[in-house]
Amino acid sequence: DTGVSQDPRHKITKRGQNVTFRCDPISEHNRLYWYRQTLGQGPEFLTYFQNEAQLEKSRLLSDRFSAERPKGSFSTLEIQRTEQGDSAMYLCAVEQFFGPGTRLTVL
Amino acid sequence: AQSVSQHNHHVILSEAASLELGCNYSYGGTVNLFWYVQYPGQHLQLLLKYFSGDPLVKGIKGFEAEFIKSKFSFNLRKPSVQWSDTAEYFCAVILYGQNFVFGPGTRLSVLP
Repeated sequence: DTGVSQDPRHKITKRGQNVTFRCDPISEHNRLYWYRQTLGQGPEFLTYFQNEAQLEKSRLLSDRFSAERPKGSFSTLEIQRTEQGDSAMYLCAVEQFFGPGTRLTVL
Repeated sequence: AQSVSQHNHHVILSEAASLELGCNYSYGGTVNLFWYVQYPGQHLQLLLKYFSGDPLVKGIKGFEAEFIKSKFSFNLRKPSVQWSDTAEYFCAVILYGQNFVFGPGTRLSVLP
């Protein structure tokens, strides 16, 4: 148990639909990161928060992606108008500890 | 841009063999260094980390890593691997105040 939970663990959706993932750290941490991992690759940085402020966004994060951390605790990642290329594991990390990820499959 | 390279894509060893996985990074400033392991179907687990001090870092499950600043390297070692060490291993670097950059990973297969 890394102290980071993610929900849902698996999500299957049709192309064009919107999806939202949630990350819940068990305890208070300043930094929260979102990463994406595809099969056989290392995690790729998407965005990170210092408390509730979103400080950096990767160019991988297109306009269809949005992330929030409204109270500096949990965070959500929303993908609008999903595409098949969005299929991946979406990982949340707090400091150096990673959650179990949400596996997204876009049909 | 900062990058992390891992020398081997796939390493195959027999049980009890010694392991060394290479990791090099491109940034010349102050970095924090990590090794993560990902067992099949499981999430990333932190094996060990280096922030400062003794460049030889000991982690969980008998792993250790050595930070050699002059070589921009942070190689992972284990004197005797077990079948249960079969997994994907990722080296990662973080600059102060910034995000993790991961290497592409090395798949380790340990034959019983």
